[in-house]
Amino acid sequence: EVQLVESGGGLVEPGRSLTLSCTTSGFTFGENAMTWVRQAPGKGLDWVGVIRTKTYGATTEYAASVKGRFTISRDDSKNIAYLQMDSLRTEDTALYYCTRDYVDWGQGILVTVSS
Amino acid sequence: DVVVTQSPLSLPVTLGQPASISCRSSQTLVYSDGNTYLNWFQQRPGQSPRRLIHKVSNRDSGVPDRFSGSGSGTDFTLKISRVEAEDVGVYYCMQGTYWPATFGQGTKVEIK
Repeated sequence: EVQLVESGGGLVEPGRSLTLSCTTSGFTFGENAMTWVRQAPGKGLDWVGVIRTKTYGATTEYAASVKGRFTISRDDSKNIAYLQMDSLRTEDTALYYCTRDYVDWGQGILVTVSS
Repeated sequence: DVVVTQSPLSLPVTLGQPASISCRSSQTLVYSDGNTYLNWFQQRPGQSPRRLIHKVSNRDSGVPDRFSGSGSGTDFTLKISRVEAEDVGVYYCMQGTYWPATFGQGTKVEIK
């Protein structure tokens, strides 16, 4: 059974940093790109970014709204994808999902940016 | 960024009746490999999204055949042939042809 579990969320002040983890099992992690999608309270889905597999250089793509502030990485030995979020803004408040190929999704983790 | 526009944003439907959601993109979604990377997702209340359709018209595993996708270029449609109570939720289209990927605003389907 495929599982994706996000962790590391919580309340953080504007300007601070937070790193989310997406711990996976049930599939060959190293063979899959991993994507982060977020959803602000009561709003729609918002694509954040993706990390390709090492075969494709583990390269990344980001939404304009997070480019330069967020960094996606992966540890294929641990089957974990990360979302490092720096210089957080109040508008980054959202439920953050990780997904494998948009087929398998985690349950989401809430990040609240507030003073 | 490619803008993806859905309509309507709210869709009250009668049980057993058909429903249709439109999705239009600001650029053609045909990729250089010939594929069109247009997905449809369902998000039931309180749940994570679920992909229903990929590459315009390919139903994902376990998706009932009352869901169908069609379209080409910049215009796409998700159809539900006969709406059931479990279909209540928000439906999103998403283009994956260009970076960054972009979602439509969502269409809320509710029962009349």
